[in-house]
Amino acid sequence: AQSVAQPEDQVNVAEGNPLTVKCTYSVSGNPYLFWYVQYPNRGLQFLLKYITGDNLVKGSYGFEAEFNKSQTSFHLKKPSALVSDSALYFCAVRVLRMDSSYKLIFGSGTRLLVRP
Amino acid sequence: GAGVSQTPSNKVTEKGKYVELRCDPISGHTALYWYRQSLGQGPEFLIYFQGTGAADDSGLPNDRFFAVRPEGSVSTLKIQRTERGDSAVYLCASSLTTGVTGELFFGEGSRLTVL
Repeated sequence: AQSVAQPEDQVNVAEGNPLTVKCTYSVSGNPYLFWYVQYPNRGLQFLLKYITGDNLVKGSYGFEAEFNKSQTSFHLKKPSALVSDSALYFCAVRVLRMDSSYKLIFGSGTRLLVRP
Repeated sequence: GAGVSQTPSNKVTEKGKYVELRCDPISGHTALYWYRQSLGQGPEFLIYFQGTGAADDSGLPNDRFFAVRPEGSVSTLKIQRTERGDSAVYLCASSLTTGVTGELFFGEGSRLTVL
């Protein structure tokens, strides 16, 4: 079965420090991977995706993610955290159907807390 | 509209009642998804529509849950004989088409509370 795992329920970091939110995946075939962010009482917002090509993917709000095939990981990173980055982050993998349609399977989420 | 619209934003009902949740996707988006998000969990896939037909309903937990999309645009998620365990945020998402690598665009969700 195709799945993603987010091993950390919460990540705490001081403002200005680099942050990493971890994600590992299990898929058959080439992985299509996504990161979404959810602010309180809001829907999920797309951050970035990896389809193919460069292993370092750049996304919205200064976030980037590094695809590592050998470690089956897709960790989310940011060089300098902001207090406003505090939110819930979800990693997701695309599951492709026979008719070429797809759905996303999400991880359990990681709460990022950035201290002033 | 500019984004995915879901109504109501909040619904409180009593155990055993019938509930309908509505989703209005982004104009022109042919694919529509329903997810359920329980407290502290990631979104859980329920059902996916391509046009008017339910292409994948493998995530519906039981036959009390049903969804329709009669004209290929607005969708309604219907829950019969609600139970306390149905309490969650129900998220709707749409995407432009299938078979490509586009992301899903989510609405803000309908928070269902079953007393």
